[in-house]
Amino acid sequence: AQSVTQLDSHVSVSEGTPVLLRCNYSSSYSPSLFWYVQHPNKGLQLLLKYTSAATLVKGINGFEAEFKKSETSFHLTKPSAHMSDAAEYFCVVTVTNTGNQFYFGTGTSLTVIP
Amino acid sequence: DAGITQSPRHKVTETGTPVTLRCHQTENHRYMYWYRQDPGHGLRLIHYSYGVKDTDKGEVSDGYSVSRSKTEDFLLTLESATSSQTSVYFCATASLAGANVLTFGAGSRLTVL
Repeated sequence: AQSVTQLDSHVSVSEGTPVLLRCNYSSSYSPSLFWYVQHPNKGLQLLLKYTSAATLVKGINGFEAEFKKSETSFHLTKPSAHMSDAAEYFCVVTVTNTGNQFYFGTGTSLTVIP
Repeated sequence: DAGITQSPRHKVTETGTPVTLRCHQTENHRYMYWYRQDPGHGLRLIHYSYGVKDTDKGEVSDGYSVSRSKTEDFLLTLESATSSQTSVYFCATASLAGANVLTFGAGSRLTVL
């Protein structure tokens, strides 16, 4: 079975400081992993994806994530937070040979303090 | 953007009435999904489809049914709406032939009184 656990339901950072949003996954097969962002009252937008190529994945808006198989983690980072980064972030896992279902974490709400 | 349109975008209904939400895509993606989003739960899969007339249950399928008679349309039906089905519903598509990422519609907010 596949699942993801987002370790923090809320993260608060000051503008200009680093962002770390943590995600651990569980998968019986080689997974594809994603981070999505949802701004208030908006739909979901893909930030980045890992699909067994480079373990360090760069996404939009300066975000990146590192796939660590030994730790079953896929943490999202950004060197310097911007006010516009305030949103809900979701870690997602899928395995194509089990029906292509996508499993979501419960989300991390990021607050950026001016 | 995969060109995903959800309708209606907002609906208020009463307990016990039937409700159908429609998802229409223009990208010819094989896979279509219905999720519900509730605070503290993230997005939970209701049903998904892997082709015309091919559907399967997700983790929260009780009280919901789906149909897919054409590649581009995926309908979600609440046969008899309950207050616990008050939620925001998102449709998404994916294609194994491409990047296999989920692309989402704008969501449908359903309130059951």
